[in-house]
Amino acid sequence: KQEVTQIPAALSVPEGENLVLNCSFTDSAIYNLQWFRQDPGKGLTSLLLIQSSQREQTSGRLNASLDKSSGRSTLYIAASQPGDSATYLCAVSRSNTDKLIFGTGTRLQVFP
Amino acid sequence: EAQVTQNPRYLITVTGKKLTVTCSQNMNHEYMSWYRQDPGLGLRQIYYSMNVEVTDKGDVPEGYKVSRKEKRNFPLILESPSPNQTSLYFCASSLDRGYNEQFFGPGTRLTVL
Repeated sequence: KQEVTQIPAALSVPEGENLVLNCSFTDSAIYNLQWFRQDPGKGLTSLLLIQSSQREQTSGRLNASLDKSSGRSTLYIAASQPGDSATYLCAVSRSNTDKLIFGTGTRLQVFP
Repeated sequence: EAQVTQNPRYLITVTGKKLTVTCSQNMNHEYMSWYRQDPGLGLRQIYYSMNVEVTDKGDVPEGYKVSRKEKRNFPLILESPSPNQTSLYFCASSLDRGYNEQFFGPGTRLTVL
């Protein structure tokens, strides 16, 4: 059974720092991995999608990497800003029609 | 604007009173699904639909029903809500089967007394 874990559960950093959020999964037979952002009381916003054949994806200050063999993904946020404060979730799927299995999330706070 | 919408956003109801949470997407997506989010348990899939008139159970389908009569709509039905269905519900849709980047609605916070 696929399990997805995110470490740390919470993170508080000063503005301007570069930071890394970790996601690990137990079954390397994934189809893709997706990173989401969730603001308090709000829905999920898709940040990056990495197909299983890809190693990384970039969008602005965000860079996500994928190492299927070791069951890991990292989300790198450069020059963090207070507006980045949110909960970040990673999720994997086994196939193109399969459900997402979500991690436990990392609650990020960036203070001025 | 491409989006997934849900209604209502907030609902407080009583045990046993049937309710429907609507979900609609304007992106012509084939794949739609419902998740619930609970503290300590994360997001879990309730039901999904791969196309019109095609639905199937997810991980936690008990107490829920869905229908997919039109491509854009995927309502979630609670025939007889119970307090353990108090949760935050999300509808999601995917561009197509090959891509599977899922887009989520804003969520519906349901409280069953």
